[in-house]
Amino acid sequence: KNEVEQSPQNLTAQEGEFITINCSYSVGISALHWLQQHPGGGIVSLFMLSSGKKKHGRLIATINIQEKHSSLHITASHPRDSAVYICAVWSRSQGNLIFGKGTKLSVKP
Amino acid sequence: DTAVSQTPKYLVTQMGNDKSIKCEQNLGHDTMYWYKQDSKKFLKIMFSYNNKELIINETVPNRFSPKSPDKAHLNLHINSLELGDSAVYFCASSPRLAGGDTGELFFGEGSRLTVL
Repeated sequence: KNEVEQSPQNLTAQEGEFITINCSYSVGISALHWLQQHPGGGIVSLFMLSSGKKKHGRLIATINIQEKHSSLHITASHPRDSAVYICAVWSRSQGNLIFGKGTKLSVKP
Repeated sequence: DTAVSQTPKYLVTQMGNDKSIKCEQNLGHDTMYWYKQDSKKFLKIMFSYNNKELIINETVPNRFSPKSPDKAHLNLHINSLELGDSAVYFCASSPRLAGGDTGELFFGEGSRLTVL
């Protein structure tokens, strides 16, 4: 079992829909990152959080440390949101980032 | 100006060769990383450098060696390339390492290595 699990693996949505991507982890962490990998391959950091909730434009990230769970929400989704979204946690015991396998999102017009 | 730049973007080479990938960041960050993304798109840490000092050395073969001439550069040298080394290699940087409170991560565009 991976230390960082994301669901769903693949997600297809219609433009305008509200989207949720989930991340569960089994290790003690210092912080959790949400990353976006574009179809062209580049990786962009969306959020780093260690508690609570952060918002940036149409993106919202939440984390529940007790439940070892984080969610990434996209409101009013748009085809340009189509990408792979990757959850990564900083493991205190391993002293490095551990990545989930990513969620491939496709938003249809 | 590109924050984290790596070259080359594409590299095709024969088994047994030695190759290097260069990475530079102009953000003034203290920490730089190399990650490997395999054919299943799974990312894994290879190395990180904090102020030119190797902090993490994951169980990668010793054919891979990171070299940091200064804190803005972290190059990856690979000796005796094997078929299984084919992957996309990403360089990244962050303001600090600080026990996991790294701050935002900035990634390069990736270098796709194909070993024939």
